[in-house]
Amino acid sequence: EMQVLESGGGLVQPGGSLRLSCAASGFMFGDYAMSWVRQTPGRGLEWVSSITGSGRTTYYADSVRGRFTISRDNSQDILLLQMNSLRVDDSAKYFCAKEGMVGAFDPWGPGTLVTVSS
Amino acid sequence: SYVLTQPPSVSLAPGKTATITCGGDNIGSKSVHWYQQKPGQAPVLVISYDNDRPSGIPDRFSGSNSGNTATLTISRVEAGDEADYYCQVWDNASDHFVFGAGTHVTVL
Repeated sequence: EMQVLESGGGLVQPGGSLRLSCAASGFMFGDYAMSWVRQTPGRGLEWVSSITGSGRTTYYADSVRGRFTISRDNSQDILLLQMNSLRVDDSAKYFCAKEGMVGAFDPWGPGTLVTVSS
Repeated sequence: SYVLTQPPSVSLAPGKTATITCGGDNIGSKSVHWYQQKPGQAPVLVISYDNDRPSGIPDRFSGSNSGNTATLTISRVEAGDEADYYCQVWDNASDHFVFGAGTHVTVL
């Protein structure tokens, strides 16, 4: 069974940093692009960032470009999201998801909560 | 940037057919994916590539996509279908994934 599981969320002050991890299992991790999507409580889904299977190409939402860095370790089947210069409006539940061949996200992890507050 | 427009809510009685639209400029030229999200849970893919159902998704769920509108149809709606539904595409022009704002389906 394909699974992804996020970790690393928590409470951080504005301007601080946090690194999220996503452990994958049940599929050939390096063969698939991966993405991060976030959701503010009671709000909709917002795509954050994606990375190709090789890790050579990355994509970012305008709201996080220059502050967040996506990366992956294909030897350990782990996806990472380094978040710097965090703002209050970055507070959200962050989901990791595997991308299918036509850009569909499946499966998703249960998410990890990031709270940016002083 | 590319925008996807969904109605905020749809309400219907059990056994009826729910139709959820997702509007976008020439969306018929893109692959549209649909997700179901129940409270406190992660989203689940219910339709990919306009009208493909992943394994385990009931055949009551179907999709279509043409022109400026993609549609998710849920036939014979059940109480367990009550959830938020989101459409999603890849926008080649911006190299961004885009989600619609979501539609809450209420089963009366």
